[in-house]
Amino acid sequence: DAGVIQSPRHEVTEMGQEVTLRCKPISGHDYLFWYRQTMMRGLELLIYFNNNVPIDDSGMPEDRFSAKMPNASFSTLKIQPSEPRDSAVYFCASSEQGSGNTIYFGEGSWLTVV
Amino acid sequence: AQSVSQHNHHVILSEAASLELGCNYSYGGTVNLFWYVQYPGQHLQLLLKYFSGDPLVKGIKGFEAEFIKSKFSFNLRKPSVQWSDTAEYFCAVISYSSASKIIFGSGTRLSIRP
Repeated sequence: DAGVIQSPRHEVTEMGQEVTLRCKPISGHDYLFWYRQTMMRGLELLIYFNNNVPIDDSGMPEDRFSAKMPNASFSTLKIQPSEPRDSAVYFCASSEQGSGNTIYFGEGSWLTVV
Repeated sequence: AQSVSQHNHHVILSEAASLELGCNYSYGGTVNLFWYVQYPGQHLQLLLKYFSGDPLVKGIKGFEAEFIKSKFSFNLRKPSVQWSDTAEYFCAVISYSSASKIIFGSGTRLSIRP
């Protein structure tokens, strides 16, 4: 299996620009998670989906952040407009209920907003 | 509120020293427990997990963890650390009452002196 695939791996963008991060979960997994990791705040759960439906978005920092999962094999996390404080590593992860909820992480998208 | 506590933020050891990293959680009921490792510049990878059965769980690279239900703890141990164990270690818990929402601790940074 290819694992969780994220793109882009690295992005540098200017403040005010729109950023779109993409994720392809492991085939057959019914849960998808978006996490953000920073030195100051550690690992934060932003939102997670079950069978393409958002279950808990209480971790989404503000209205500038939005996430979608149009189908079982694709999800996006969008930041519009981006700000320097959004600079972080964004991890997508997926899991399968039947396997005891072990979460598998993608390699992350390293975002720098200047 | 449900939480996972890792009391050691940064641990520094010499090679061949023994390691124990603490993890406590505040959930009641049935839980699944995990330790993840994040090597510098990489994503989180599963180190070991406990679902049921023998409370002493053995993982990869010589790591083990013991689930003590009465203490709500799941401490990670390794009898002799190596320089390559330098990483950040995250404890995580899923409560069956939390709709598969995995909660991570704040992480413990482990530095090994060669």
